[in-house]
Amino acid sequence: DAKTTQPTSMDCAEGRAANLPCNHSTISGNEYVYWYRQIHSQGPQYIIHGLKNNETNEMASLIITEDRKSSTLILPHATLRDTAVYYCIVSSTGNNRKLIWGLGTSLAVNP
Amino acid sequence: DAMVIQNPRYQVTQFGKPVTLSCSQTLNHNVMYWYQQKSSQAPKLLFHYYDKDFNNEADTPDNFQSRRPNTSFCFLDIRSPGLGDAAMYLCATSRLGVRYEQYFGPGTRLTVT
Repeated sequence: DAKTTQPTSMDCAEGRAANLPCNHSTISGNEYVYWYRQIHSQGPQYIIHGLKNNETNEMASLIITEDRKSSTLILPHATLRDTAVYYCIVSSTGNNRKLIWGLGTSLAVNP
Repeated sequence: DAMVIQNPRYQVTQFGKPVTLSCSQTLNHNVMYWYQQKSSQAPKLLFHYYDKDFNNEADTPDNFQSRRPNTSFCFLDIRSPGLGDAAMYLCATSRLGVRYEQYFGPGTRLTVT
């Protein structure tokens, strides 16, 4: 079973920041938080990951709370092309570990 | 550009008629995965290869088989498709040691009539 809880859907206005929350209260010390997104009719796309420090890349920022029980993915200036299902996944990085996908958050960016 | 390619994008097969889906990659990644994704559901891992080492998920039905003849290609064989096997089938790759960063193909939408 997925180890994360996300809202089913969210809306965001184009040009505004989209903040997508994720709860992972049972995360263990060696587990990372990963974010992927899936645009309609396409394969999922890796966005970002983190352990305990906040992370930023060209696509998004990841804010992880100090107790690591929740995190927020931030798309700083959402565009219509960011409309997608966003998956928050918790897993360790060992070679035999797999990503266990939850249902994700369906983000609609509106003009 | 380096990528993961899946053919065909759409496949229609008849109930019980074997079907093969293909995946190729130009990323030279060691690990290749097959996922099944049904409508409005999350991707579900069926199996993966580390090089030629095959790893089957415990709940993957025997009806699903896979072949990886070389680094670049991987096939998903469904021996006797049922109506419940209609889904999007996603192929993904990753580098060994960086398995969290998986690169996905566009998927093959399988319809069973």
